[in-house]
Amino acid sequence: AQTVTQSQPEMSVQEAETVTLSCTYDTSENNYYLFWYKQPPSRQMILVIRQEAYKQQNATENRFSVNFQKAAKSFSLKISDSQLGDTAMYFCAFMTPFVVTQGGSEKLVFGKGTKLTVNP
Amino acid sequence: EAGVVQSPRYKIIEKKQPVAFWCNPISGHNTLYWYLQNLGQGPELLIRYENEEAVDDSQLPKDRFSAERLKGVDSTLKIQPAELGDSAVYLCASSFLAGDLDTQYFGPGTRLTVL
Repeated sequence: AQTVTQSQPEMSVQEAETVTLSCTYDTSENNYYLFWYKQPPSRQMILVIRQEAYKQQNATENRFSVNFQKAAKSFSLKISDSQLGDTAMYFCAFMTPFVVTQGGSEKLVFGKGTKLTVNP
Repeated sequence: EAGVVQSPRYKIIEKKQPVAFWCNPISGHNTLYWYLQNLGQGPELLIRYENEEAVDDSQLPKDRFSAERLKGVDSTLKIQPAELGDSAVYLCASSFLAGDLDTQYFGPGTRLTVL
């Protein structure tokens, strides 16, 4: 079974600084996707960034980037120039995509989350 | 484009009462998911639909939980009877299988409190 571990229950950062959230996962699959979701206090889960395991290049989305280390099964999220609106729970998630000839669960497996607070 | 819609946003009931949650996915999304999120935890899948077919309900407690997705669009999740331990947030998500790289988009959730 796939598992996702986020070892930092809480983190804080000063506005405009950079912070890195850690995530490790365990799987025997070779084809999978990794995600970071953000859940602000309003509770709406929002996709931050995604990474396909077959891609060697790390994904980036504006101030958000990942460090994907497939061999180490590590998928950390870096937030640059932190803003007050980045305050939220951040969840790392894993999924095996559905492929007609191979199956796949399409089920997102989440870590327990990291509560990030950006201080002014 | 409208996102995933869920109602109600909040529900308070007494134990042993029935409760139902409703979800309207993003237009055109053929896959719909119900997740359970306990306080301080990440969401866990309850059931996944491909169109109107439940293709993964292995984590759904079938003695008290039921779900349906008539016509492959809206979905309803029901609990009968509710127990104290069912207090949680129930999230609905949708995706377009084989499109948009299977990204799941979440609704705002329904927070259930069982007294």
